[in-house]
Amino acid sequence: GQQVMQIPQYQHVQEGEDFTTYCNSSTTLSNIQWYKQRPGGHPVFLIQLVKSGEVKKQKRLTFQFGEAKKNSSLHITATQTTDVGTYFCAADNAGKSTFGDGTTLTVKP
Amino acid sequence: DTAVSQTPKYLVTQMGNDKSIKCEQNLGHDTMYWYKQDSKKFLKIMFSYNNKELIINETVPNRFSPKSPDKAHLNLHINSLELGDSAVYFCASSQHPPLAGGPYEQYFGPGTRLTVT
Repeated sequence: GQQVMQIPQYQHVQEGEDFTTYCNSSTTLSNIQWYKQRPGGHPVFLIQLVKSGEVKKQKRLTFQFGEAKKNSSLHITATQTTDVGTYFCAADNAGKSTFGDGTTLTVKP
Repeated sequence: DTAVSQTPKYLVTQMGNDKSIKCEQNLGHDTMYWYKQDSKKFLKIMFSYNNKELIINETVPNRFSPKSPDKAHLNLHINSLELGDSAVYFCASSQHPPLAGGPYEQYFGPGTRLTVT
């Protein structure tokens, strides 16, 4: 079945540093979604990307969808302690949604 | 108002027992899901229902049986619980099933932490 590789699995940063997580697929994706799960919480939808090369921003978060629609990234500028959690990509292909393994971000104040 | 609710929040039980987890959504969505999240936080889909019809059934032991009495409810019954079933189970819903190019963001419930001893 379709696999979505997400790296890195863990990322520790100092507050104020930037953070990026990457999601890669061997197949072309219909769209990709990003979710955030705070410690002890549940995944919360952040954004969906549909178009090739699409870039969307939410305050300090920048989401990109690759030109070939096989990869995506989430970049956080100047991390804050409120950014801690696990970030998941979820890829849709032919009607089935698969979650990446997640990147867990910790931020040292 | 809670959009997607699950009961119970915590469930501790012994091996061999049978238990159920309930899920309800008040968003008017057509599609509901069950996910299992293990200790490494890997999130794996188990089942998906669209308008009470099963549309996704991953490789899950047949001890797990979902039931959707109506499109607002999706319950999960687990027979003969095993130690490996310990995990957090999330229910989710979306307006539509995954369709090419269509928005179908999923709304997750708070999760049920199942511990099998």
